[in-house]
Amino acid sequence: ETGVTQTPRHLVMGMTNKKSLKCEQHLGHNAMYWYKQSAKKPLELMFVYSLEERVENNSVPSRFSPECPNSSHLFLHLHTLQPEDSALYLCASSLFSERGGGEQFFGPGTRLTVL
Amino acid sequence: GDSVTQMEGPVTLSEEAFLTINCTYTATGYPSLFWYVQYPGEGLQLLLKATKADDKGSNKGFEATYRKETTSFHLEKGSVQVSDSAVYFCAPGGGADGLTFGKGTHLIIQP
Repeated sequence: ETGVTQTPRHLVMGMTNKKSLKCEQHLGHNAMYWYKQSAKKPLELMFVYSLEERVENNSVPSRFSPECPNSSHLFLHLHTLQPEDSALYLCASSLFSERGGGEQFFGPGTRLTVL
Repeated sequence: GDSVTQMEGPVTLSEEAFLTINCTYTATGYPSLFWYVQYPGEGLQLLLKATKADDKGSNKGFEATYRKETTSFHLEKGSVQVSDSAVYFCAPGGGADGLTFGKGTHLIIQP
């Protein structure tokens, strides 16, 4: 596998379910990101992990819980979601240095539908 | 924080037409500037970038120049193809806070 991969590609869940989205990067990067893309809003940054530490939260509801066990893997744990959380969830990674985060490389996304 | 203004579209052009998608931004300091493209059903792909004033990024016939004085990074292509149909995102950033994306411009190229 090369680049940034995300699983599953599609997910349908009920409001009481618990599920997790997985992201893996094979680029040797040290920063990873979760974005939400919905039809009604611009691309929204949800979480940033740099060197496996969370550095940005952006006031995301607690029903979204990120986890970054190492520099190659990023998870987004979901529980008691709402229908308005239905969206495309994109993962990205970059090489973070003293000069900043550089360009980001994106995965194909997980299309989430909450019933 | 940073912000981006770009036309949303849809922008509809005929094949071989000249393309301009305007992008202006507000940012602290002098960020790097990026254009990303999203084809249907896919994630975002980096199209081109510029890291300092007057730099020109180019790729696949697309070009954009970092204009510090007008805080702009307009995307241009001399002759578009049907395969260029996609959504294009302008994004300043590259610092510790990541990227700030515009709403995206939906481009439709007709044969």
